[in-house]
Amino acid sequence: AQKVTQAQTEISVVEKEDVTLDCVYETRDTTYYLFWYKQPPSGELVFLIRRNSFDEQNEISGRYSWNFQKSTSSFNFTITASQVVDSAVYFCALSEEKSPGSARQLTFGSGTQLTVLP
Amino acid sequence: KAGVTQTPRYLIKTRGQQVTLSCSPISGHRSVSWYQQTPGQGLQFLFEYFSETQRNKGNFPGRFSGRQFSNSRSEMNVSTLELGDSALYLCASSLEDSISTDTQYFGPGTRLTVL
Repeated sequence: AQKVTQAQTEISVVEKEDVTLDCVYETRDTTYYLFWYKQPPSGELVFLIRRNSFDEQNEISGRYSWNFQKSTSSFNFTITASQVVDSAVYFCALSEEKSPGSARQLTFGSGTQLTVLP
Repeated sequence: KAGVTQTPRYLIKTRGQQVTLSCSPISGHRSVSWYQQTPGQGLQFLFEYFSETQRNKGNFPGRFSGRQFSNSRSEMNVSTLELGDSALYLCASSLEDSISTDTQYFGPGTRLTVL
């Protein structure tokens, strides 16, 4: 069975600080997909990034960067120069490769509440 | 393109009643999934529909059901409501145009309160 662990329940930083959100996953599959979603107070889950298990390249998008390491089963998310608008709950999720005709489902971590103080 | 829409946004029901939630996927998306979010259990998968067929179901009792229409719109139904069904119900849609995993895009959710 697949499992996602986000050990950090809450993180509080001051604006402009860098912050890293940790994500550790478990899966028996060799092909899988990892995701990060942001959930602001409005409730909607906003897609941030998807990584395939066969692509370990790190990715940077503006102030966001992701570090995927299969050796440690981790997919960490760093926000550089954090801003108050980054305050939200961040979820890491895992989806295994589907076979034709089968369904997908996301297994979510418990989320990390990030608060960025002005 | 319009995003995933869910109606109603808020709902208050009493124990024993039933409720129907609606989800309209992003135009062109053929798969619709439902998730329940509660403070205690977090985000849990309910079921997924594709081409009007339920392809997978999470570990929820039979009181939770759903369906998908030919235009890919989906509804979920909860019968004989219990206090523990109070939650944010999120719908997600994905393109499903290949055998690889597509990204799921979520709607704003329906917040159900059972009194």
